[in-house]
Amino acid sequence: DAGVTQSPTHLIKTRGQQVTLRCSPKSGHDTVSWYQQALGQGPQFIFQYYEEEERQRGNFPDRFSGHQFPNYSSELNVNALLLGDSALYLCASSRQGVNEQFFGPGTRLTVL
Amino acid sequence: EDQVTQSPEALRLQEGESSSLNCSYTVSGLRGLFWYRQDPGKGPEFLFTLYSAGEEKEKERLKATLTKKESFLHITAPKPEDSATYLCAVQANAGNNRKLIWGLGTSLAVNP
Repeated sequence: DAGVTQSPTHLIKTRGQQVTLRCSPKSGHDTVSWYQQALGQGPQFIFQYYEEEERQRGNFPDRFSGHQFPNYSSELNVNALLLGDSALYLCASSRQGVNEQFFGPGTRLTVL
Repeated sequence: EDQVTQSPEALRLQEGESSSLNCSYTVSGLRGLFWYRQDPGKGPEFLFTLYSAGEEKEKERLKATLTKKESFLHITAPKPEDSATYLCAVQANAGNNRKLIWGLGTSLAVNP
């Protein structure tokens, strides 16, 4: 049973560029949440997708957007990258009505 | 405002030396409290969910307990492979709220 997968593993971009990160949820899961984790910090909630719609959003600007596909996989898009966007981006999947979230290995984004 | 505070920030133990990590929380109604383990550069690994005061869960050398204001993660006779950052998160029981609110974690080092 494959767990949560994310791609790419690492990414280096320059300021002003745009990036797309991808996530495939654990088998049987239909809900995907995205988190940003800076070094030495806890994860910060970006948003959650269910039934291809954004259900809840954290305190992140509109530069952060997402999408969920019919197969439950998801993308996180970040436009106009800033140096402060450098972080580990985590995807977590869960089943509707079940509280536990299971995380992927993350994508390390470096903005130069 | 919902908040999670973990202590200590860092803990160094000798192999076999038992100890406890603390997670205190302020939330407008608790839906669940979650413990995760995170190794450097990787996504958090789910350990436990606790729902109500008095609840306890165990897994190998780890035992999690919950009161109305805090949770403890007890580590009995730790081994070097228990070295990691332990994260605590809460989910508030408020309407359609789905996000997890995280502490900063406790970095545990177990020396052989």
